[in-house]
Amino acid sequence: KQEVTQIPAALSVPEGENLVLNCSFTDSAIYNLQWFRQDPGKGLTSLLLIQSSQREQTSGRLNASLDKSSGRSTLYIAASQPGDSATYLCAVKAARGSTLGRLYFGRGTQLTVWP
Amino acid sequence: EAGVVQSPRYKIIEKKQPVAFWCNPISGHNTLYWYRQNLGQGPELLIRYENEEAVDDSQLPKDRFSAERLKGVDSTLKIQPAELGDSAVYLCASSLGGDTYEQYFGPGTRLTVT
Repeated sequence: KQEVTQIPAALSVPEGENLVLNCSFTDSAIYNLQWFRQDPGKGLTSLLLIQSSQREQTSGRLNASLDKSSGRSTLYIAASQPGDSATYLCAVKAARGSTLGRLYFGRGTQLTVWP
Repeated sequence: EAGVVQSPRYKIIEKKQPVAFWCNPISGHNTLYWYRQNLGQGPELLIRYENEEAVDDSQLPKDRFSAERLKGVDSTLKIQPAELGDSAVYLCASSLGGDTYEQYFGPGTRLTVT
């Protein structure tokens, strides 16, 4: 069964810092990896989607990389702002087995950016 | 374009009572998902529909949970009877068909069972 781990579980940084969130997964047979943001009491907002054949994706101050063979992804946030405070979740879509097509989530990294 | 719509947003019920959640996916998305998210955890899939067909329901507790997606658009998830351990956020998501497309989530329904 696919297992997704996110480190650190929580992160608190001052405004303006560049930061890296880590995600690892145990089975490299994936279709894609997706990074989400979740604000308290809200649903998930998709940030970036990286297909299995891609190495990275960028959107504004966000950059996500994927190393499928080693089972790792990083989300880089440049020049962090208080509005970036949220929980960040990564998820991988299984590409084999009885759970083909299923999305597996990590527990998330709770980010706090203080002014 | 409207996103995934869910109702109600909040529900408080006593144990052993029934409850139902409704989801309207993004127009044109033929794949629909129901997830359950416990506090401090990532979402876990309950059921996935491709059009009207449930193609992955192995994690749906079928003794008390049921779901339907009539006409391949809206979907309803039901719990009967509810237990204390069912307290969680129930999320609906949708995507275009195929395994490479991203999923879009609704705001969720927060269920509290007392």
